[in-house]
Amino acid sequence: DAGVTQSPTHLIKTRGQQVTLRCSPKSGHDTVSWYQQALGQGPQFIFQYYEEEERQRGNFPDRFSGHQFPNYSSELNVNALLLGDSALYLCASSLVDRVNSPLHFGNGTRLTVT
Amino acid sequence: GNSVTQMEGPVTLSEEAFLTINCTYTATGYPSLFWYVQYPGEGLQLLLKATKADDKGSNKGFEATYRKETTSFHLEKGSVQVSDSAVYFCALLGGSQGNLIFGKGTKLSVKP
Repeated sequence: DAGVTQSPTHLIKTRGQQVTLRCSPKSGHDTVSWYQQALGQGPQFIFQYYEEEERQRGNFPDRFSGHQFPNYSSELNVNALLLGDSALYLCASSLVDRVNSPLHFGNGTRLTVT
Repeated sequence: GNSVTQMEGPVTLSEEAFLTINCTYTATGYPSLFWYVQYPGEGLQLLLKATKADDKGSNKGFEATYRKETTSFHLEKGSVQVSDSAVYFCALLGGSQGNLIFGKGTKLSVKP
């Protein structure tokens, strides 16, 4: 049973460019959340997708956008990259509204903006 | 707003020592509380959780009790192993199931 998979594992981009990160949820899960983890910090919630719609959003600018596909996989897009966007981006999946269904995290995509 | 405060690291212990990592929270109501662990190069894994006051979460020898009076959820283990070396994050459920609010993390190093 595959867990949460993310691609790519590492990525280097230049300031001003755009990037797309991908996530496949754990089998059976229908909800995907994205987090940004800066070096030495705890993860910060970006947004959550369910039924192909953004369900909740954290305190991130509109440069951060996402998408969920009918097979529940998801993409995170970041436009006009800034140096401060360098971080580990984590995807987590779960079952919607199931308090006893914990979040399962992928290993993340390490984004470096130069 | 909701927030989580963890003790600063890094924490360095000898094998078989007792571990405590302090965590306090600020929240409206009584949110579910969690401890996650992150091993080098990996994502986060749920270590334990508690969903209401006085609940004790436990897993792999780790324990934490949800203390409403002190708004705390301290992580403890009686005898740490080298394999416990990792970064530990305290978190609370801020909104729906997906909106976790994390502390900054505490790095634990266990020496043989």
